[in-house]
Amino acid sequence: QSALTQPASVSGSPGQSITISCTGSSSDIGTYDYVSWYRQHPGKAPQLVIYDVRYRSSRISSRFSGSKSGNTASLTISGLQAEDEADYYCASYTGISTLYVFGTGTMVTVV
Amino acid sequence: QVQLVESGGAVVQPGRSLRLSCAASGFTFSSFAMHWVRQAPGKGLEWVAVIWDDGNKKFSADSVKGRFTISRDNSRDTLFLQMDSLRADDTGLYYCARGSDESGYFSHFDYWGQGTLVTVSS
Repeated sequence: QSALTQPASVSGSPGQSITISCTGSSSDIGTYDYVSWYRQHPGKAPQLVIYDVRYRSSRISSRFSGSKSGNTASLTISGLQAEDEADYYCASYTGISTLYVFGTGTMVTVV
Repeated sequence: QVQLVESGGAVVQPGRSLRLSCAASGFTFSSFAMHWVRQAPGKGLEWVAVIWDDGNKKFSADSVKGRFTISRDNSRDTLFLQMDSLRADDTGLYYCARGSDESGYFSHFDYWGQGTLVTVSS
């Protein structure tokens, strides 16, 4: 099971909106609505941001939203803030022996 | 509040074994599936294994199948990962993470520990 594909980096200015893509296949994202997103600040543990494609964790700002189309899921951060600088990972349920696969990760920079 | 504290990480030689532990508190441990996720230095996240709430069902990634065994002791609110035949590419930070409910299917990882470092080197 190969890792899901994410852009290595995405940047934006404060107040802007950015979108991170996560591309899988018909065996994972294309079949299951069990895509989640995680934020990881440097030296810290990952934190759940979005689950089941579009549901936001109760501990996360409403500026974060998720969606899916075909084999690609997306995370949108609106009103970008300095605190949003972090690595972001998507994950999907696969339904096969390696039950879950993560994305390659995206570094978000606020310039 | 939910707390997950991993321990047991160490420097070990290739081919040796190691057992990691994850002590849980702040929630009803026996009601949730639990996962291990690892991260090689400077790399991305990799799912390792899951165990159902009652310990009766388990799955592991193909990369560790036959070498790593996940288990739990609900009387001690503790999750384990027995790692045998360790290889250099098993080096990394190992996180335990709580699943979203009692099943390991269709889950996400809603709380994470801080991780314990495993280094496999001769």
